[in-house]
Amino acid sequence: KQEVTQIPAALSVPEGENLVLNCSFTDSAIYNLQWFRQDPGKGLTSLLLIQSSQREQTSGRLNASLDKSSGRSTLYIAASQPGDSATYLCAVGVLSEKLVFGKGTKLTVNP
Amino acid sequence: DAGVIQSPRHEVTEMGQEVTLRCKPISGHNSLFWYRQTMMRGLELLIYFNNNVPIDDSGMPEDRFSAKMPNASFSTLKIQPSEPRDSAVYFCASRRGVVVGSYNEQFFGPGTRLTVL
Repeated sequence: KQEVTQIPAALSVPEGENLVLNCSFTDSAIYNLQWFRQDPGKGLTSLLLIQSSQREQTSGRLNASLDKSSGRSTLYIAASQPGDSATYLCAVGVLSEKLVFGKGTKLTVNP
Repeated sequence: DAGVIQSPRHEVTEMGQEVTLRCKPISGHNSLFWYRQTMMRGLELLIYFNNNVPIDDSGMPEDRFSAKMPNASFSTLKIQPSEPRDSAVYFCASRRGVVVGSYNEQFFGPGTRLTVL
């Protein structure tokens, strides 16, 4: 059974800092990995999707990497801003086409 | 595009009552997913449909839960009778492709916050 773990559960940084969020999964047989952002009381917004054949994806200040063999992904946020404060969820797409989610990392960027 | 639309946004009901949650996927998307989010268990997939057909309902917690997708633009999740432990945020998501292995990203609705008293 695929399990997804995100560490740390919460992170607080000063504005302008570069930061890395971590995601690990137990089964390397994945189709892809998706990073989401969730704001309080809101739905999930897709940030980046990495197919299993890819190593990384970039969008603006965000860069996500994927290492299937080690069961890890990282989300790098450059020059963090208070507007980046949210919960970041990692999800892996498995053989049955489901998404298995981690519990998320709650990020707070302090002005 | 309006995105995935869910209604109601908030629902408060009493134990034993029937609850119906509604979802309109993004036009042109062929797959629809229902998720439940709680503090304890995080986001869990309940059921998903491809081309209006239920493919996997193994995440549905018990017989009190049922889901239908009568057409490509509408789905319902029903709980009957509801219990306090059903209190959670229920999300609907849709995706364009259905071919296994060609996984496209899922787009989520704003969710329905259900409180069962």
